[in-house]
Amino acid sequence: NAGVTQTPKFQVLKTGQSMTLQCAQDMNHEYMSWYRQDPGMGLRLIHYSVGAGITDQGEVPNGYNVSRSTTEDFPLRLLSAAPSQTSVYFCASKRQGSPYEQYFGPGTRLTVT
Amino acid sequence: AQSVTQLDSQVPVFEEAPVELRCNYSSSVSVYLFWYVQYPNQGLQLLLKYLSGSTLVKGINGFEAEFNKSQTSFHLRKPSVHISDTAEYFCAVSEISNFGNEKLTFGTGTRLTIIP
Repeated sequence: NAGVTQTPKFQVLKTGQSMTLQCAQDMNHEYMSWYRQDPGMGLRLIHYSVGAGITDQGEVPNGYNVSRSTTEDFPLRLLSAAPSQTSVYFCASKRQGSPYEQYFGPGTRLTVT
Repeated sequence: AQSVTQLDSQVPVFEEAPVELRCNYSSSVSVYLFWYVQYPNQGLQLLLKYLSGSTLVKGINGFEAEFNKSQTSFHLRKPSVHISDTAEYFCAVSEISNFGNEKLTFGTGTRLTIIP
């Protein structure tokens, strides 16, 4: 199993550009989520999904869109990038139900200039 | 709403010395508690978790944590650290609430640096 994969690993965008961060998992997990990690702020939840066709907002959803058309994929879209979105983005997945651990991808480092 | 506080942003420790990383949480309902570790330039991996039962939880790499409900704490300990333990450690909490809505809230992290 590859686990949780994310592409790209690094990305530089100009303000106003759009892009999609890809996330895929091969563990048949129902729950998937996106976090951003900023120095001194830990990880903050952007969006999450409890299954195909079902998504919801997390703590910091503004400026990001998500969709979940399949169990495996959960892309994160930046419609108009801003410097405040410079961060490291992590995708995670887990089986449904609180006790199960979340498995994290390796992250995407995004810089917006 | 749930929240997690990690008061120590950086902890330097000499090799083979003991270490304790502190974590306090706030929640109006019962919670599950987790410690995750992030090695340099990597994603997060689970170190240990408390779900119920014994308040002393053992994890990977010789780490353990103790759940203290009265003090709402979940401190992480290791009796003797190694260079390889250099990493950032995150405490996280998940409220036991509606099925399918189990959000994980992270603390701000503690950077553990092992001094040879």
